[in-house]
Amino acid sequence: KNEVEQSPQNLTAQEGEFITINCSYSVGISALHWLQQHPGGGIVSLFMLSSGKKKHGRLIATINIQEKHSSLHITASHPRDSAVYICAALGETSGSRLTFGEGTQLTVNP
Amino acid sequence: DGGITQSPKYLFRKEGQNVTLSCEQNLNHDAMYWYRQDPGQGLRLIYYSQIVNDFQKGDIAEGYSVSREKKESFPLTVTSAQKNPTAFYLCASSMVGLWGEQFFGPGTRLTVL
Repeated sequence: KNEVEQSPQNLTAQEGEFITINCSYSVGISALHWLQQHPGGGIVSLFMLSSGKKKHGRLIATINIQEKHSSLHITASHPRDSAVYICAALGETSGSRLTFGEGTQLTVNP
Repeated sequence: DGGITQSPKYLFRKEGQNVTLSCEQNLNHDAMYWYRQDPGQGLRLIYYSQIVNDFQKGDIAEGYSVSREKKESFPLTVTSAQKNPTAFYLCASSMVGLWGEQFFGPGTRLTVL
């Protein structure tokens, strides 16, 4: 069992739909990252959070420390949101090392 | 512009040859990392360095070597001992510490023929 698990692995949506990607972790963490990887391979950091909720444009990330669960929401999805979304946990005792989930492939159709 | 550069973007090598992947950052970050990504798998840590002239093995260091002679540079050598070197390699950097958000380079896709 991976320390960081994401669901679903693949997600197809129609433009405009509300999207949720889930991340569960089994280790104690000091922070959780949400990352976006585009088809070309480059990775962009979307959020880093340790509690509550963060919002940036149409993206919202939430975390529940007690339940060891985080979600990434995309409102009014658009084809340009098509990418792999990765959650990564910064463990309490791992220094700056991250543990990555396997990623969720999101495809938004026009 | 501040950022991380990796070169080349695509690299082809014959089996049995060593190859060195470049990673440079001008973000003044102390920590640098090398990851490997295979299709359908999460990123796996190869090596990381938190200070010049020091580095630690990650989860899959066998068949790889690194050096950290300058703060800005963290080259990765894929040696002939690496059994399955064909993969996508990503370099990242961060400030040291619990809140060191990692910034990623564009990656190098290595194909060994």
